[in-house]
Amino acid sequence: GAVVSQHPSRVICKSGTSVKIECRSLDFQATTMFWYRQFPKQSLMLMATSNEGSKATYEQGVEKDKFLINHASLTLSTLTVTSAHPEDSSFYICSAVAGAGDTQYFGPGTRLTVL
Amino acid sequence: GQSLEQPSEVTAVEGAIVQINCTYQTSGFYGLSWYQQHDGGAPTFLSYNALDGLEETGRFSSFLSRSDSYGYLLLQELQMKDSASYFCAVKEDSSYKLIFGSGTRLLVRP
Repeated sequence: GAVVSQHPSRVICKSGTSVKIECRSLDFQATTMFWYRQFPKQSLMLMATSNEGSKATYEQGVEKDKFLINHASLTLSTLTVTSAHPEDSSFYICSAVAGAGDTQYFGPGTRLTVL
Repeated sequence: GQSLEQPSEVTAVEGAIVQINCTYQTSGFYGLSWYQQHDGGAPTFLSYNALDGLEETGRFSSFLSRSDSYGYLLLQELQMKDSASYFCAVKEDSSYKLIFGSGTRLLVRP
């Protein structure tokens, strides 16, 4: 149980385009999901907390107009990187909390490369 | 401010025991989690300690001392597949939000 999927797993796009990444909880409902980015050999940096039915809460320094988050249902959150630039190239990982527990279950990640 | 300190790299021999330490300084503390991440993969949950003491799950154990703001992950009977990065993460408040440490790269040698 507690499986989280992400799509796509890899994406390459041109500078200036927008990219949408989906995060789904497959076998549980997640009222809260998180979006992280991770640079090579570095830690996970929390970008935002995604709450079903309400606006996302962004961490300090994360541009909410650039990284659009929508949590449309209890099993789906999306992250859209708008007007992507090469410096946005990174590994984006989502996680979801199952039930009332304290465990975050992570998706497999999406590697974004902006040319 | 918030800080979680871990050694950057640890090397050990197959079959040995290794301990990865984590010291934290956060505004609040509810519990300490440990995650494993292989290169290019997703973090996978290993353990969560909310109370002082040792939690054992198979070859892996995790320890917490709240008074010392310190915890560790103990890996026994190391296997080659244990080569990965290990992150400690603090739950600061009643939300589900976690703050991750910088990670420890473990290399297991034959």
